Amino acid sequence: LAKTTQPISMDSYEGQEVNITCSHNNIATNDYITWYQQFPSQGPRFIIQGYKTKVTNEVASLFIPADRKSSTLSLPRVSLSDTAVYYCLVGDISSGSARQLTFGSGTQLTVLP
Amino acid sequence: EAQVTQNPRYLITVTGKKLTVTCSQNMNHEYMSWYRQDPGLGLRQIYYSMNVEVTDKGDVPEGYKVSRKEKRNFPLILESPSPNQTSLYFCASSLSGGSSYNEQFFGPGTRLTVL
Repeated sequence: LAKTTQPISMDSYEGQEVNITCSHNNIATNDYITWYQQFPSQGPRFIIQGYKTKVTNEVASLFIPADRKSSTLSLPRVSLSDTAVYYCLVGDISSGSARQLTFGSGTQLTVLP
Repeated sequence: EAQVTQNPRYLITVTGKKLTVTCSQNMNHEYMSWYRQDPGLGLRQIYYSMNVEVTDKGDVPEGYKVSRKEKRNFPLILESPSPNQTSLYFCASSLSGGSSYNEQFFGPGTRLTVL
Protein backbone atom coordinates (compact mmCIF):
# COMPACT_ATOMS: atom_id res chain seq x y z
CA LEU A 1 0.00 0.00 0.00
CA ALA A 2 1.58 3.23 -1.15
CA LYS A 3 2.05 5.73 1.68
CA THR A 4 2.42 9.40 0.92
CA THR A 5 4.36 12.13 2.69
CA GLN A 6 3.69 15.84 2.26
CA PRO A 7 4.78 19.00 4.07
CA ILE A 8 2.38 19.85 6.85
CA SER A 9 2.01 23.50 5.86
CA MET A 10 3.12 26.14 3.39
CA ASP A 11 2.64 29.88 3.14
CA SER A 12 2.58 31.91 -0.02
CA TYR A 13 1.56 35.35 -1.26
CA GLU A 14 -1.09 36.23 -3.75
CA GLY A 15 0.07 36.03 -7.35
CA GLN A 16 2.92 33.63 -6.67
CA GLU A 17 3.32 30.12 -8.02
CA VAL A 18 3.09 27.42 -5.38
CA ASN A 19 4.64 23.97 -5.65
CA ILE A 20 3.64 21.21 -3.23
CA THR A 21 5.62 18.00 -3.35
CA CYS A 22 4.42 14.57 -2.31
CA SER A 23 6.67 11.56 -1.73
CA HIS A 24 5.38 8.07 -2.53
CA ASN A 25 8.39 5.78 -2.54
CA ASN A 26 6.53 2.48 -2.85
CA ILE A 27 4.10 3.46 -5.58
CA ALA A 28 2.85 0.45 -7.55
CA THR A 29 3.01 0.07 -11.31
CA ASN A 30 -0.73 0.54 -11.76
CA ASP A 31 -1.11 3.43 -9.31
CA TYR A 32 -2.23 6.87 -10.41
CA ILE A 33 -1.38 10.04 -8.52
CA THR A 34 -4.30 12.27 -7.69
CA TRP A 35 -4.53 15.60 -5.88
CA TYR A 36 -7.51 16.95 -4.00
CA GLN A 37 -8.34 20.31 -2.43
CA GLN A 38 -10.36 20.63 0.74
CA PHE A 39 -11.92 23.68 2.36
CA PRO A 40 -13.01 23.60 6.02
CA SER A 41 -16.15 21.55 6.66
CA GLN A 42 -16.41 20.49 3.01
CA GLY A 43 -15.59 17.27 1.22
CA PRO A 44 -12.38 17.12 -0.83
CA ARG A 45 -12.57 18.22 -4.45
CA PHE A 46 -10.60 16.64 -7.29
CA ILE A 47 -7.91 18.87 -8.79
CA ILE A 48 -5.74 16.79 -11.10
CA GLN A 49 -4.54 13.28 -11.81
CA GLY A 50 -1.53 11.83 -13.59
CA TYR A 51 0.48 8.70 -14.19
CA LYS A 52 3.81 10.01 -15.48
CA THR A 53 5.53 13.12 -16.89
CA LYS A 54 3.40 16.26 -16.85
CA VAL A 55 -0.32 16.89 -16.78
CA THR A 56 -1.92 20.31 -16.99
CA ASN A 57 -5.51 21.43 -16.68
CA GLU A 58 -7.22 24.76 -16.19
CA VAL A 59 -6.33 25.02 -12.51
CA ALA A 60 -3.02 23.22 -11.93
CA SER A 61 -0.10 21.25 -13.29
CA LEU A 62 1.22 17.96 -12.02
CA PHE A 63 4.84 16.98 -12.50
CA ILE A 64 5.87 13.36 -12.09
CA PRO A 65 9.52 12.29 -12.53
CA ALA A 66 10.47 9.14 -14.37
CA ASP A 67 10.84 7.04 -11.21
CA ARG A 68 7.36 8.16 -10.03
CA LYS A 69 8.49 8.18 -6.40
CA SER A 70 7.34 11.74 -5.97
CA SER A 71 5.04 14.27 -7.59
CA THR A 72 4.67 18.03 -7.49
CA LEU A 73 1.42 19.94 -7.67
CA SER A 74 1.93 23.40 -9.15
CA LEU A 75 -0.65 26.14 -8.63
CA PRO A 76 0.01 29.19 -10.80
CA ARG A 77 -0.65 32.67 -9.44
CA VAL A 78 -2.49 31.70 -6.27
CA SER A 79 -5.19 33.85 -4.75
CA LEU A 80 -6.62 34.08 -1.23
CA SER A 81 -9.34 31.61 -2.22
CA ASP A 82 -6.70 28.93 -2.79
CA THR A 83 -6.13 28.73 0.95
CA ALA A 84 -7.04 25.12 1.69
CA VAL A 85 -5.65 21.71 2.53
CA TYR A 86 -4.17 19.82 -0.42
CA TYR A 87 -4.02 16.04 -0.41
CA CYS A 88 -1.93 13.72 -2.50
CA LEU A 89 -3.48 10.32 -3.12
CA VAL A 90 -1.85 7.30 -4.70
CA GLY A 91 -3.80 4.31 -5.88
CA ASP A 92 -5.90 2.78 -8.58
CA ILE A 93 -9.61 2.02 -8.64
CA SER A 94 -9.79 0.89 -12.24
CA SER A 95 -12.36 -1.74 -12.99
CA GLY A 96 -11.53 -5.15 -11.64
CA SER A 97 -8.76 -3.92 -9.39
CA ALA A 98 -9.95 -3.73 -5.81
CA ARG A 99 -7.45 -1.42 -4.16
CA GLN A 100 -7.44 0.70 -1.08
CA LEU A 101 -6.87 4.40 -1.52
CA THR A 102 -4.81 6.15 1.10
CA PHE A 103 -4.77 9.86 1.57
CA GLY A 104 -1.78 11.52 3.16
CA SER A 105 -2.26 13.94 6.04
CA GLY A 106 -2.36 16.85 3.65
CA THR A 107 -0.63 20.21 3.23
CA GLN A 108 -2.26 23.32 4.65
CA LEU A 109 -1.62 26.08 2.13
CA THR A 110 -2.16 29.61 3.41
CA VAL A 111 -2.15 32.39 0.86
CA LEU A 112 -1.36 35.78 2.31
CA PRO A 113 -2.34 39.15 0.82
CA GLU B 1 -27.60 17.71 -10.43
CA ALA B 2 -24.87 15.07 -10.09
CA GLN B 3 -24.13 14.66 -6.42
CA VAL B 4 -23.39 12.51 -3.41
CA THR B 5 -25.77 12.99 -0.51
CA GLN B 6 -25.32 11.98 3.09
CA ASN B 7 -27.79 11.89 5.93
CA PRO B 8 -27.83 13.02 8.60
CA ARG B 9 -25.41 15.91 8.34
CA TYR B 10 -25.08 16.19 12.10
CA LEU B 11 -25.73 13.56 14.74
CA ILE B 12 -25.20 13.41 18.48
CA THR B 13 -25.76 10.01 20.03
CA VAL B 14 -24.78 7.95 23.04
CA THR B 15 -22.46 5.02 23.44
CA GLY B 16 -23.92 1.73 22.26
CA LYS B 17 -26.91 3.05 20.36
CA LYS B 18 -26.84 1.62 16.85
CA LEU B 19 -26.89 4.15 14.03
CA THR B 20 -26.76 4.28 10.26
CA VAL B 21 -25.40 7.06 8.09
CA THR B 22 -26.82 6.91 4.60
CA CYS B 23 -24.97 7.72 1.41
CA SER B 24 -26.49 7.95 -2.04
CA GLN B 25 -25.10 8.95 -5.44
CA ASN B 26 -26.96 9.65 -8.67
CA MET B 27 -24.04 9.28 -11.10
CA ASN B 28 -24.23 5.52 -11.66
CA HIS B 29 -20.77 5.12 -10.14
CA GLU B 30 -19.44 1.67 -9.41
CA TYR B 31 -16.96 2.66 -6.72
CA MET B 32 -18.05 4.03 -3.36
CA SER B 33 -16.11 4.62 -0.20
CA TRP B 34 -16.34 5.89 3.36
CA TYR B 35 -13.72 8.02 5.07
CA ARG B 36 -13.35 9.51 8.47
CA GLN B 37 -11.45 12.70 9.13
CA ASP B 38 -9.89 13.59 12.44
CA PRO B 39 -7.68 16.57 13.29
CA GLY B 40 -4.07 15.94 12.33
CA LEU B 41 -4.83 12.56 10.77
CA GLY B 42 -6.16 13.54 7.37
CA LEU B 43 -8.66 11.28 5.64
CA ARG B 44 -8.64 7.61 6.51
CA GLN B 45 -10.59 5.08 4.52
CA ILE B 46 -13.02 2.91 6.45
CA TYR B 47 -14.57 0.67 3.80
CA TYR B 48 -14.92 0.72 0.06
CA SER B 49 -17.01 -1.02 -2.53
CA MET B 50 -16.08 -1.78 -6.11
CA ASN B 51 -19.67 -2.60 -7.08
CA VAL B 52 -22.93 -4.08 -5.82
CA GLU B 53 -22.36 -6.80 -3.22
CA VAL B 54 -18.58 -6.20 -3.31
CA THR B 55 -17.12 -4.50 -0.24
CA ASP B 56 -13.70 -4.49 1.38
CA LYS B 57 -11.91 -3.04 4.37
CA GLY B 58 -9.96 0.17 4.24
CA ASP B 59 -7.41 1.38 6.76
CA VAL B 60 -9.71 1.71 9.79
CA PRO B 61 -12.68 -0.70 9.52
CA GLU B 62 -12.97 -1.68 13.19
CA GLY B 63 -16.35 -0.84 14.66
CA TYR B 64 -18.03 -0.22 11.31
CA LYS B 65 -20.11 -2.21 8.85
CA VAL B 66 -21.26 -1.42 5.34
CA SER B 67 -23.53 -2.92 2.74
CA ARG B 68 -23.97 -2.40 -0.99
CA LYS B 69 -27.27 -3.88 -2.04
CA GLU B 70 -27.93 -1.25 -4.67
CA LYS B 71 -25.50 0.62 -6.88
CA ARG B 72 -26.54 4.05 -5.68
CA ASN B 73 -26.52 3.45 -1.91
CA PHE B 74 -23.70 2.66 0.48
CA PRO B 75 -24.79 3.00 4.13
CA LEU B 76 -22.32 3.08 7.00
CA ILE B 77 -23.46 1.23 10.09
CA LEU B 78 -22.14 1.65 13.61
CA GLU B 79 -23.55 -1.29 15.58
CA SER B 80 -22.31 -0.05 18.96
CA PRO B 81 -20.82 3.42 18.68
CA SER B 82 -18.09 4.50 21.04
CA PRO B 83 -16.65 7.95 21.80
CA ASN B 84 -13.55 7.23 19.69
CA GLN B 85 -15.83 7.14 16.65
CA THR B 86 -16.61 10.81 17.11
CA SER B 87 -15.44 12.22 13.80
CA LEU B 88 -16.33 13.84 10.50
CA TYR B 89 -17.40 11.22 7.98
CA PHE B 90 -17.32 11.52 4.21
CA CYS B 91 -18.82 9.29 1.58
CA ALA B 92 -17.38 9.34 -1.93
CA SER B 93 -18.09 7.75 -5.28
CA SER B 94 -16.23 7.30 -8.53
CA LEU B 95 -16.36 5.62 -11.88
CA SER B 96 -14.04 2.65 -11.67
CA GLY B 97 -12.96 2.99 -15.28
CA GLY B 98 -12.46 5.71 -17.85
CA SER B 99 -9.96 8.54 -18.15
CA SER B 100 -10.30 9.81 -14.60
CA TYR B 101 -9.98 6.64 -12.64
CA ASN B 102 -9.45 8.29 -9.32
CA GLU B 103 -11.74 11.31 -9.50
CA GLN B 104 -13.84 10.76 -6.43
CA PHE B 105 -16.89 12.89 -5.75
CA PHE B 106 -17.38 13.55 -2.08
CA GLY B 107 -20.52 14.12 -0.08
CA PRO B 108 -20.95 17.10 2.25
CA GLY B 109 -19.92 15.17 5.34
CA THR B 110 -21.61 13.91 8.51
CA ARG B 111 -20.39 15.21 11.82
CA LEU B 112 -20.93 12.51 14.43
CA THR B 113 -20.54 12.96 18.16
CA VAL B 114 -20.75 9.92 20.44
CA LEU B 115 -21.18 10.74 24.12
